[in-house]
Amino acid sequence: DGGITQSPKYLFRKEGQNVTLSCEQNLNHDAMYWYRQDPGQGLRLIYYSQIVNDFQKGDIAEGYSVSREKKESFPLTVTSAQKNPTAFYLCASSIAEGGNEQFFGPGTRLTVL
Amino acid sequence: GDSVTQMEGPVTLSEEAFLTINCTYTATGYPSLFWYVQYPGEGLQLLLKATKADDKGSNKGFEATYRKETTSFHLEKGSVQVSDSAVYFCAFWRSGAGSYQLTFGKGTKLSVIP
Repeated sequence: DGGITQSPKYLFRKEGQNVTLSCEQNLNHDAMYWYRQDPGQGLRLIYYSQIVNDFQKGDIAEGYSVSREKKESFPLTVTSAQKNPTAFYLCASSIAEGGNEQFFGPGTRLTVL
Repeated sequence: GDSVTQMEGPVTLSEEAFLTINCTYTATGYPSLFWYVQYPGEGLQLLLKATKADDKGSNKGFEATYRKETTSFHLEKGSVQVSDSAVYFCAFWRSGAGSYQLTFGKGTKLSVIP
């Protein structure tokens, strides 16, 4: 089955530690996205990538980093510089042209203790 | 700037009631419009979409019509079920050269009681 996988579903880290969230897709999509979801705030775009080895900052990129070495994978690192990292993180992908549907993964809930 | 305004929730309805969730957008041009649904603890799923003015998107008994004159894309369902309990997000693609970003509303939580 084609789709997007995110792992793990729940993640706990101590304050000050970097943590990397995994996102893999087998939909052959060129574009991939990371969103952060907080209660009552909808989804906010962290980073997106339209093609391998290229990515752009979204609205709230500070304290996060990404890489896009393979078409299928778009890992997100939450660094210790992110002041309030506890949130639900969603990865998505789409064909590259704008105006098309984004497909979402099941999400990772990160809790920083 | 580009934005989406959704009806604030939570919305609580009895089974078989009529549902409307209002959505209006501010954008340049004529963006594609979407409704996504999120069930508890899961990612988002596309519910329906419309790509041009007067288009009606429909799926699973839900409908929404792209109204250019009022910049609206209200979600409706004639008879809700308990299984429709979820959070609903209105969204559109941002305009501008090279822009491939969805702008989301804040979401409307729907609870349907038997």
